Amino acid sequence: QQQVKQSPQSLIVQKGGISIINCAYENTAFDYFPWYQQFPGKGPALLIAIRPDVSEKKEGRFTISFNKSAKQFSLHIMDSQPGDSATYFCAASKSGSARQLTFGSGTQLTVLP
Amino acid sequence: ETGVTQSPTHLIKTRGQQVTLRCSSQSGHNTVSWYQQALGQGPQFIFQYYREEENGRGNFPPRFSGLQFPNYSSELNVNALELDDSALYLCASSWPGDEQFFGPGTRLTVL
Repeated sequence: QQQVKQSPQSLIVQKGGISIINCAYENTAFDYFPWYQQFPGKGPALLIAIRPDVSEKKEGRFTISFNKSAKQFSLHIMDSQPGDSATYFCAASKSGSARQLTFGSGTQLTVLP
Repeated sequence: ETGVTQSPTHLIKTRGQQVTLRCSSQSGHNTVSWYQQALGQGPQFIFQYYREEENGRGNFPPRFSGLQFPNYSSELNVNALELDDSALYLCASSWPGDEQFFGPGTRLTVL
């Protein structure tokens, strides 16, 4: 079964702290690993994505770390801000025209001021 | 803004009824994917349409069906609604194999 397991379910971080969300996948055919941010009443928005040929990708305060042998990847949010409070989803998909995203169950992040 | 729009925003139906949800893709995108997001869960892939043809389907029963029109807008139809169909239905548009841009979703409540 194609599954992506995400943890923790919820996370509370102080302003300026580091938020870390972890995901693990089973299907070794997955080759695209995006992270999405979703605010209440909105659709998911792509934050950052990585392919398995690199172990880390950084965009601003957001970094993805990828461990192919462990089939795990994580999102690090540096200098977390109250505006980062949202639900974060990891996802994975295989190459091909039908890029069917398999999502994790989500992490509700709260950044305290 | 991503440019993907969905209608209606909210919808209430009763069990056994049929519903049609609509999605307008972002300008230039010829691929539309539909996802179901139950409360507190991640989105689940329903199916994808590329140039008016179904191009991949997730683990959903045949009572979930769709259409894509020549202007690449799309419809999701659900027949014989069940209570468990209550969810946020998301539409995403893209080029084939490329980043998907999600709309705000349609919140369906089945009573």
